[in-house]
Formats: sequence, C-alpha cells, structure tokens
Amino acid sequence: DADVTQTPRNRITKTGKRIMLECSQTKGHDRMYWYRQDPGLGLRLIYYSFDVKDINKGEISDGYSVSRQAQAKFSLSLESAIPNQTALYFCATSDHSRDGQYFGPGTRLTVT
Amino acid sequence: GQQVMQIPQYQHVQEGEDFTTYCNSSTTLSNIQWYKQRPGGHPVFLIQLVKSGEVKKQKRLTFQFGEAKKNSSLHITATQTTDVGTYFCAALSGGSNYKLTFGKGTLLTVNP
Repeated sequence: DADVTQTPRNRITKTGKRIMLECSQTKGHDRMYWYRQDPGLGLRLIYYSFDVKDINKGEISDGYSVSRQAQAKFSLSLESAIPNQTALYFCATSDHSRDGQYFGPGTRLTVT
Repeated sequence: GQQVMQIPQYQHVQEGEDFTTYCNSSTTLSNIQWYKQRPGGHPVFLIQLVKSGEVKKQKRLTFQFGEAKKNSSLHITATQTTDVGTYFCAALSGGSNYKLTFGKGTLLTVNP
C-alpha cells in the first residue's frame, strides 16, 4: 500500500462549487504539506502543518483552506472554486522539516 | 520570499550523452534537496546536500553543493531513457519556519 494517498485522483467541478481534497499517510510523519503544480511554474506551497495544532500559510494560500484532522490526515478545501485553480495538487509529508519530503500521487483538478 | 532559479528549463539529449541541471540562489541556503518527477508521476526525493562544497553520488548521478552554499548542480553521466523526467531542486529556508522553495525544474528528454 502507498504511504501517502490522495483522494480523489481526478476531479472536474464547476466554478463556485466547494471541493475538498484529502490526504492520508501511514508514514507516521508529523509534517504535512499541500502544493499545487502548474506547467512551467514548478511546485508552489499552499499550506503546511508541523503538527495537528500547527497550520501555516504557504506562498499561495488565498482561496484555499486546510484542516489537520489527525496526524495522518490533512485536507485541502477550495471554498468557491475558480478556473485558475485548475492544477495538479500534491500532498507531501516529512519526518522533520529538514528531511526529504514524500509525495502522494496527486489530484488533478479541473474547474470549468 | 526566497527564490531558487533553475536552468535550463528543458534539455534534450541523445542516449549516452551527459546532462547537467543547475540551481542558483541569491541568498545562502541552509540545505538543498533534489527531486525527480517522471512524466505523469509525482516528485520523488533523491538526495539532500547540507555542507559547503559537498559532493554526493548515486550511480550515474552526481550532486554538488557550492562552496558558498548558493548554488547546486545535478549531473547525469551517460543518460539512459529511464532518466527521462523533470528534475527539481528545492531549497530549505532558515529561520523559524522550515519550508522548501522549489525551482521550476528541468525537463529532460532522452532520444534512444
């Protein structure tokens, strides 16, 4: 079984809809991250959490919110989706901030 | 915020040729990590460099961290078709929040 899982893997939604992307991990890591990837722009950090009670904004948090329900679960919400949020979204985990990060398989989100 | 510049954006080589991608920062980096993302896949952690002037090898891959800790490189000797993908560097910022800033990546294609 994969260590970091994301659901759904693909999603098409309409402008204005609320959508939640979920991430679960079995690695026992405290640190979890949400990134979005756009062609030519690399990976940009949306939110990160160092433990259940610690949540921080990344460089592009506007339009997104997160919830750390447990050590193993970190969800990303788009309260009112807009087309420019069409992207590939990755969840990642790490044992410590200075360690390499382990990425989930990604969620491809399309907002029409 | 911290920026990490990665060049080239694209590189096409014949199988057997060497490949190098470079990562540069205007500020001193705490450490640098390298990731590989196969087409349609997710980023996979390759290595982390921490010390000034550090050189690490993984089979045909050689990673270097500059003496001033402001630049890094990944060199692949005698590329193979399995090397195809996007290679990202990611720099760790210091201070109270340790989060990675990713370069935009170098897409490597290999002609068999």
